Amino acid sequence: EAGVAQSPRYKIIEKRQSVAFWCNPISGHATLYWYQQILGQGPKLLIQFQNNGVVDDSQLPKDRFSAERLKGVDSTLKIQPAKLEDSAVYLCASSTDSQETQYFGPGTRLLVL
Amino acid sequence: AQSVTQLDSQVPVFEEAPVELRCNYSSSVSVYLFWYVQYPNQGLQLLLKYLSGSTLVESINGFEAEFNKSQTSFHLRKPSVHISDTAEYFCAVTPISGGYNKLIFGAGTRLAVHP
Repeated sequence: EAGVAQSPRYKIIEKRQSVAFWCNPISGHATLYWYQQILGQGPKLLIQFQNNGVVDDSQLPKDRFSAERLKGVDSTLKIQPAKLEDSAVYLCASSTDSQETQYFGPGTRLLVL
Repeated sequence: AQSVTQLDSQVPVFEEAPVELRCNYSSSVSVYLFWYVQYPNQGLQLLLKYLSGSTLVESINGFEAEFNKSQTSFHLRKPSVHISDTAEYFCAVTPISGGYNKLIFGAGTRLAVHP
């Protein structure tokens, strides 16, 4: 069974630029999560989808971050414009439903200069 | 609200020595507890979890963790570590609410096993 796929693996941008990350969850997984992991900290949930609907985006900075999961499968997370403090690893995870074990992708490491 | 505290940011240990990684949590409701491991340049992998039943849970690679409700702890232990156990370990909780599964992570403990 293929795992959670993410791309790109690394991205370097300048502040005020925009960036997008892509995630393809495990086939059949209805729930998809985006986490932000700042260096030296644990992952923090940004947004959670159940199929193509948002069930929790309480910690998503909505003035600059957006995410979508249009067909209930893969998802994109966008930052526009980026700030220095957005430098982090962005992790995508999926689960069969919201009460089951989450499986994580390898992450996208973002550096904002 | 919930929070997780991992008391040690780094734990150096020699190969074949025992190790304990400490985790304490705070929550006003009952929680499920998890340990995830992150090997270099890889994503997080579930190591073990406590949902209910026996308070001692084990992983397939020799780690174990014990849920202590009175001390709100879920410490991870291994009696004899290997070089390959070098990784970052994250403790996490999720409230038992019947709703959506939101994981709250600790800051992580970096385990470095030396020969």
